[in-house]
Amino acid sequence: EVQLVESGGGLVQPGGSLRLSCAASGFTFSSYWMSWVRQAPGKGLEWVANIKQDGSEKYYVDSVKGRFTISRDNAKNSLYLQMNSLRAEDTAVYYCARGYIAADWGQGTLVTVSS
Amino acid sequence: DIVMTQTPLSLSVTPGQPASISCKSSQSLLHSDGKTYLYWYLQKPGQSPQLLIYEVSSRFSGVPDRFSGSGSGTDFTLKISRVEAEDVGVYYCMQGIHLPLTFGPGTKVDIK
Repeated sequence: EVQLVESGGGLVQPGGSLRLSCAASGFTFSSYWMSWVRQAPGKGLEWVANIKQDGSEKYYVDSVKGRFTISRDNAKNSLYLQMNSLRAEDTAVYYCARGYIAADWGQGTLVTVSS
Repeated sequence: DIVMTQTPLSLSVTPGQPASISCKSSQSLLHSDGKTYLYWYLQKPGQSPQLLIYEVSSRFSGVPDRFSGSGSGTDFTLKISRVEAEDVGVYYCMQGIHLPLTFGPGTKVDIK
């Protein structure tokens, strides 16, 4: 059974940083693209970033380019999202998902950017 | 960016009756490889989204056969043949052909 468990969310001030983690199990992590998708409170879904199996390709939505960095550690079956220069509009539940098109999703971790 | 639109934005359905959601994209989702990269997700209340349909019409693992997808190019439809109480939630379409991947605004389905 595919399991994706996010962690690292919390309350942070504008301009601050957070690092999200996603622990994957139940599938061969190194064989799949991985993605981050977010959902602002009461809003729809927004794709944030994805990363190729070996980390050689990474793509981001324009609103986070230069501020967020997606990475992975295949030896640890883990996906990461380093978020810097956070803004109020980054407040959302962040989901880790398996695959380029998010076939399986974690339960999400809430990031709140507020002073 | 490809803009995805959905109609209706909300739908109230009697159990056992069919339901249909339309999704339109601002550009064709047909790739040169012959595949069409249109996906449907359901987010049940209080839960994470789950993939229902991939590449227009293929049901993801474990998805009941009362769900079906159809369409081509820029116009797509998700149909539920007989709505059950467990089908309530918000349905999203998503395009996977061009970055950034983009979702429709969602269609909220509830039971009458």
